[in-house]
Amino acid sequence: QVQLVQSGAEVKKPGASVKVSCKVSGYTLTELSMHWVRQAPGKGLEWMGGFDPEDGETIYAQKFQGRVTMTEDTSTDTAYMELSSLRSEDTAVYYCATDWWSSSAFDIWGQGTMVTVSS
Amino acid sequence: QSALTQPASVSGSPGQSITISCTGTSSDVGSYNLVSWYQQHPGKAPKLMIYEVSKRPSGVSNRFSGSKSGNTASLTISGLQAEDEADYYCCSYAGSSTFWVFGGGTKLTVL
Repeated sequence: QVQLVQSGAEVKKPGASVKVSCKVSGYTLTELSMHWVRQAPGKGLEWMGGFDPEDGETIYAQKFQGRVTMTEDTSTDTAYMELSSLRSEDTAVYYCATDWWSSSAFDIWGQGTMVTVSS
Repeated sequence: QSALTQPASVSGSPGQSITISCTGTSSDVGSYNLVSWYQQHPGKAPKLMIYEVSKRPSGVSNRFSGSKSGNTASLTISGLQAEDEADYYCCSYAGSSTFWVFGGGTKLTVL
């Protein structure tokens, strides 16, 4: 059974960067397509980006292009999402999620990481 | 504004059935049978309830069903139970440039 375990809560100042990790257990990261979804307080889910197995590239939502970088460390089966130039509107819970068995939906989710941006 | 439109709230009594709609466009819901539905309880991560429009993951009650007509997908929950009270989100593939889009979410209240 695949499990995704994320890093702990973060508090950052406006303009700073944050890097959230997502460790895979029960499988190898290279065999998964990892995605990142965020949820602002009291708001809905928002897809930020993820791996496209069709062309082997990481795709970012247009809203975050230039500010987000998603990387993987296959030696530790850990995925990372780094968001820069943080502003108060980036305060949210950030989830990693993958399509482990369905290949067409987010069937496994991490527990979420709360990122608070405040001066 | 979310890419997919859902009603903000729906409600029903125990034992009743409810349906949540998810309206997109011909570029997402209307073009792909890759609509999924997620249940989210307060403070918890989302849980996959329906994928590929109408398929149910192992372990999900058969009280949950999904369908699609044109640009609108729907989630129906029959025999409502107290534990069904949660937020529900639809999601659709939207092509190789946009990738995935979510609905704004629907709060289900079991009266």
